Amino acid sequence: NAGVMQNPRHLVRRRGQEARLRCSPMKGHSHVYWYRQLPEEGLKFMVYLQKENIIDESGMPKERFSAEFPKEGPSILRIQQVVRGDSAAYFCASSPQGSGNSPLHFGNGTRLTVT
Amino acid sequence: DQQVKQNSPSLSVQEGRISILNCDYTNSMFDYFLWYKKYPAEGPTFLISISSIKDKNEDGRFTVFLNKSAKHLSLHIVPSQPGDSAVYFCAASGKGGKLIFGQGTELSVKP
Repeated sequence: NAGVMQNPRHLVRRRGQEARLRCSPMKGHSHVYWYRQLPEEGLKFMVYLQKENIIDESGMPKERFSAEFPKEGPSILRIQQVVRGDSAAYFCASSPQGSGNSPLHFGNGTRLTVT
Repeated sequence: DQQVKQNSPSLSVQEGRISILNCDYTNSMFDYFLWYKKYPAEGPTFLISISSIKDKNEDGRFTVFLNKSAKHLSLHIVPSQPGDSAVYFCAASGKGGKLIFGQGTELSVKP
């Protein structure tokens, strides 16, 4: 997992607060994907971004969730007004190209706990 | 709508024997399949992949088999080692690069 950096590793928020999760892709990678893993479940796709563009957000909840990948700096997944059901591990992955035939490289995740 | 399914949540194997992990998919448009390995508190690590134009890909102790007509793939690990104990996810992708993951199978290799 070396290369894709996520921070913080652990994040505790009270209900109603905002959570900001950061992801720096591997060097040379311009495609970023966010996944969520709920307890006892697999990884669910949330959003796919390229620099300054959202390519596919079909897995994002319609409200409270947003993502960006600016020209400079890390990709940010923002969750507004968090609820207990948002507690999960959030993984970021990157790839050098957006085609389907290259593996994604994952970070070690941010574990969000909503109290 | 689970497009990629791993029906066995867990598998226990003796060290030195073969581990076989199975995965089924429903979308015939998938053209690339991957296996990832995940340890607790870490992100998934890429293990091996196979294109839909092939039926087998081998890398050391790991072999992936693809049966397109059955929409089924499997990962064989031989010989299994205690360090292989982890959760294994199969994943599939079509256009656009996003991966669809199965629920995972927890492999335990007993010494």
